[in-house]
Amino acid sequence: AQKVTQAQTEISVVEKEDVTLDCVYETRDTTYYLFWYKQPPSGELVFLIRRNSFDEQNEISGRYSWNFQKSTSSFNFTITASQVVDSAVYFCALSEYTNAGKSTFGDGTTLTVKP
Amino acid sequence: EAQVTQNPRYLITVTGKKLTVTCSQNMNHEYMSWYRQDPGLGLRQIYYSMNVEVTDKGDVPEGYKVSRKEKRNFPLILESPSPNQTSLYFCASLGKHYNEQFFGPGTRLTVL
Repeated sequence: AQKVTQAQTEISVVEKEDVTLDCVYETRDTTYYLFWYKQPPSGELVFLIRRNSFDEQNEISGRYSWNFQKSTSSFNFTITASQVVDSAVYFCALSEYTNAGKSTFGDGTTLTVKP
Repeated sequence: EAQVTQNPRYLITVTGKKLTVTCSQNMNHEYMSWYRQDPGLGLRQIYYSMNVEVTDKGDVPEGYKVSRKEKRNFPLILESPSPNQTSLYFCASLGKHYNEQFFGPGTRLTVL
């Protein structure tokens, strides 16, 4: 069975601080997909990134960066110079490679960025 | 515009009264899913579909049914809703090469 753990339930930072959201997963599969999603206070779910398990290259997109470490089963998400608009719930998710429709989500981390 | 639509957005009903939440996508995606979101529990997958007439259970399928008669539509059926099915429901479709999952706007269901 797959499992995704986001140990940080809530994080509060002051604007311009850097913040890292942790994601640890469990799976018996050797290949799989990992995702991050954002859910702002308005409620919609927004895709941020997908990572294949066989591609361990880290990714940066503007102020966002992701660190994938297969050896520790972690896929952490860092926001640099946080802004108030980054306040949201962030979900990490895991999907099977051969059956990509089957997904397991973490419980989410609520990030509050204060001005 | 590429999108996933759900209807209704809000629904209040009573125990035992059958209901259907519709979901439609206009991107010709093969995979579609239903999730429920409850406070502190993240999103839990109810059912998913790999293509027309092919569906499978997610983690919390009890009390729900789905069908996939057409590629674009994936309705969620509650034959006899109960109060523990009060939740926020999201439909989603998975993009080509599984690069992105598109979510509908959500349906807030209250079962009294």
